Parts: sequence; C-alpha cells; structure tokens
Amino acid sequence: SQQGEEDPQALSIQEGENATMNCSYKTSINNLQWYRQNSGRGLVHLILIRSNEREKHSGRLRVTLDTSKKSSSLLITASRAADTASYFCATDAIGTYKYIFGTGTRLKVLA
Amino acid sequence: GAVVSQHPSWVICKSGTSVKIECRSLDFQATTMFWYRQFPKQSLMLMATSNEGSKATYEQGVEKDKFLINHASLTLSTLTVTSAHPEDSSFYICSAQWTSGSSAKNIQYFGAGTRLSVL
Repeated sequence: SQQGEEDPQALSIQEGENATMNCSYKTSINNLQWYRQNSGRGLVHLILIRSNEREKHSGRLRVTLDTSKKSSSLLITASRAADTASYFCATDAIGTYKYIFGTGTRLKVLA
Repeated sequence: GAVVSQHPSWVICKSGTSVKIECRSLDFQATTMFWYRQFPKQSLMLMATSNEGSKATYEQGVEKDKFLINHASLTLSTLTVTSAHPEDSSFYICSAQWTSGSSAKNIQYFGAGTRLSVL
C-alpha cells in the first residue's frame, strides 16, 4: 500500500503547548498536503508544500518536508482547544494526480 | 480557496435501494474529481478517479458496478451506490482539482462529505 504513516496516532496536550505530527510516505512525490478534519465532517485544506520546498508557514502552522527521508512534519504552535481534530497528510506520487492519505493523527487540546 | 459542494450531507436508506451523491465545484472547472470512503476513526481510502467525459478509474478492490461514477461536466461528478447494503454504510467524500500545465500546481479541494446509513 502506498498509504503514508503518521505518528503519533493520537496526541493529547494542554492548551498553549505546541503540537507536532509527523508523516512518512513511500514514493517520490509532487506535493504533500496537510488537512484537518473535525469529527464527522469534511476535510479542510491547511497547507500544500511542493517537493522542491523545505518549509512553509501559515499562521500558527509550520510544515517541513524532507524528501530524502520521505517525511514531513506539521507543527501547531500555541495550541487552542479549537485545534482539536484529526490531521492527515496526503501525497501525490510523481506520474499521478491522485492523493493518498496517511493514517492520521487525532489531536486533543485540553483547555 | 476553491469551493466544492457535496450533497446530500446525510442520507438514510433501506437495503436494496440506490443512492446518488453529487459533487460540484462551484467556482472552478474540475478536470478531475476523486471519491473517497472513510470508516469511523480511520483514514480516507481512495475509491476512484474520474476525469470529465471519460470513464472513471477504480482502485483495486472497488466494485465498479456497485459504485457508479459519472463525470459529465467540468463542475459535476456523481457517485451512485447501487443496491445499497448495510456494509456500504460509511462516510463518502469527494474532491475536485484542476490540472495546470505543470503537475506540481495541482491542488485538491474537498467536499464536506456524505454520511450514508443503510438500514
């Protein structure tokens, strides 16, 4: 399976702390995207990082990409209770236009 | 970001009936649409890829006669779950993207999902 792996599977932190989630994938990619999903809802696009980029920022989000290790990380700084959700990475392999999703990290931020 | 509308958001049906789910790109032309299935507390599993005007490409293990996909226009794709059974109950999500000249520019936008419950 080309599905990526994410760790940790679940993460529980206190409000104000930083949350780091990692994603590993198996094949060379064009892009890697991070999505957020609240329970029972659709996906919200957070950040897209291209294979020739190493780091991107958006507000309290910071994404890194290491293509040599085939891994990415998502850092949420100064977390809030509203950040509680599942976070997924998705990659599209070179030569395809379809995205394969990672296993996801369930983040719980305690107020 | 671009807007993708998915309808209905929730459907309950009797076993044996067929259910149609619509996915529309509201402010862009989607050359490609994708259909995913998600079980509780699990990741999204790609079911099929559809390009406007051509037959959908199904992932291994997905029954094409069970899950009929039509992508008749650049703004609409439909998924029909035929003769639905309780095991088809799941969360179905579509996504849409437009393909630029460079594959590195593709971005995929998701609908809000449809929760199907088959009794």
